[in-house]
Amino acid sequence: EAGVAQSPRYKIIEKRQSVAFWCNPISGHATLYWYQQILGQGPKLLIQFQNNGVVDDSQLPKDRFSAERLKGVDSTLKIQPAKLEDSAVYLCASSLSTGAGSSGNTIYFGEGSWLTVV
Amino acid sequence: TQLLEQSPQFLSIQEGENLTVYCNSSSVFSSLQWYRQEPGEGPVLLVTVVTGGEVKKLKRLTFQFGDARKDSSLHITAAQPGDTGLYLCAGNTGGFKTIFGAGTRLFVKA
Repeated sequence: EAGVAQSPRYKIIEKRQSVAFWCNPISGHATLYWYQQILGQGPKLLIQFQNNGVVDDSQLPKDRFSAERLKGVDSTLKIQPAKLEDSAVYLCASSLSTGAGSSGNTIYFGEGSWLTVV
Repeated sequence: TQLLEQSPQFLSIQEGENLTVYCNSSSVFSSLQWYRQEPGEGPVLLVTVVTGGEVKKLKRLTFQFGDARKDSSLHITAAQPGDTGLYLCAGNTGGFKTIFGAGTRLFVKA
């Protein structure tokens, strides 16, 4: 079974430029997540989709970050304009989301997209 | 605000030693996951526990879910350099919400 696919793996941009990351979740997974992980810390949820609807985007800096999952499958996360503090790993993840009390809510991660803003 | 606290934050031990990492919360979880993340990679799932009191073993790793489903522990026996990494626990509060701990960074010296 193919895992969560992300691209690009690495990106270096100058501050105030824009960048976009793409994610294709595990086939059949209804829920898709974007996390930001600063070096040495745990993942921080940016946005969570259930099919093509947003479940939680409370920690997404909406003045510069945007994300979409138009057809309920793959997703794009955009940053515009980038700031130095956006340097991090952007992790995409997905889960089946079959309901409480089951392993179907287990989240599976991609390898991440590493962003350096200079 | 729901929190998941991991301890210790950092652990450096010699090869062959045993260790335990803890994950604690005041929230009740419907399921809990442990992940290991190596440098340059995304977190990789180690185990999911669902039932209070559940114990799962994965080679030298033993995972326990608390009876009240608010806490969990990961015990590693005879640690090896290959166990080095960031260990993350994540709790699912039911439905679609999962919260992550800040992680325990383990370094095993040869």
